Amino acid sequence: AQSVTQLGSHVSVSEGALVLLRCNYSSSVPPYLFWYVQYPNQGLQLLLKYTSAATLVKGINGFEAEFKKSETSFHLTKPSAHMSDAAEYFCAVSSEYGNKLVFGAGTILRVKS
Amino acid sequence: EPEVTQTPSHQVTQMGQEVILRCVPISNHLYFYWYRQILGQKVEFLVSFYNNEISEKSEIFDDQFSVERPDGSNFTLKIRSTKLEDSAMYFCASRADRGNEQFFGPGTRLTVL
Repeated sequence: AQSVTQLGSHVSVSEGALVLLRCNYSSSVPPYLFWYVQYPNQGLQLLLKYTSAATLVKGINGFEAEFKKSETSFHLTKPSAHMSDAAEYFCAVSSEYGNKLVFGAGTILRVKS
Repeated sequence: EPEVTQTPSHQVTQMGQEVILRCVPISNHLYFYWYRQILGQKVEFLVSFYNNEISEKSEIFDDQFSVERPDGSNFTLKIRSTKLEDSAMYFCASRADRGNEQFFGPGTRLTVL
């Protein structure tokens, strides 16, 4: 079975500050990991994915995430937050040949001016 | 850029009524999914569909739910007799044969009164 834990249901940062959203996973098989973003009243948009190639993955809008097998983590970072980054972020896991995505509970990012 | 579309954006129904939620996946995609998100809770997998049959379903997806790809472009989720607890945002997603990221539609908000 696979599961995802996102630490911190709400994260607040100042504009220009580092964004760090935490994700830990549990998987009995090599995981495929994803970060999705959901803006208010919109669907889920893929930010980035890890699929067993490079452990540091770059995504859209300046976000990146690092896969650390020893820590079973896939934390999302952005060096400098922008007001437009305010949204809810979901970490998700699937297996290589798996079908479903298993989502974490989500982290709401607030960016203060 | 191709995208997944869903109709309607909001559906209000009375308890016990049947509802059909519609999705048009990305045209060359072969795998189709339904997820739901009850307000304030995680995004949960409901069902996956490939080659005109269900490939996996969760325990949520009981006999009240069914899926269909009636015409090669639409992908529908039917709830036969809605309950209050079916109120949620329902997301459709699709995936190409290669690569395993899923692309999500904007969702249908179902309200059962």
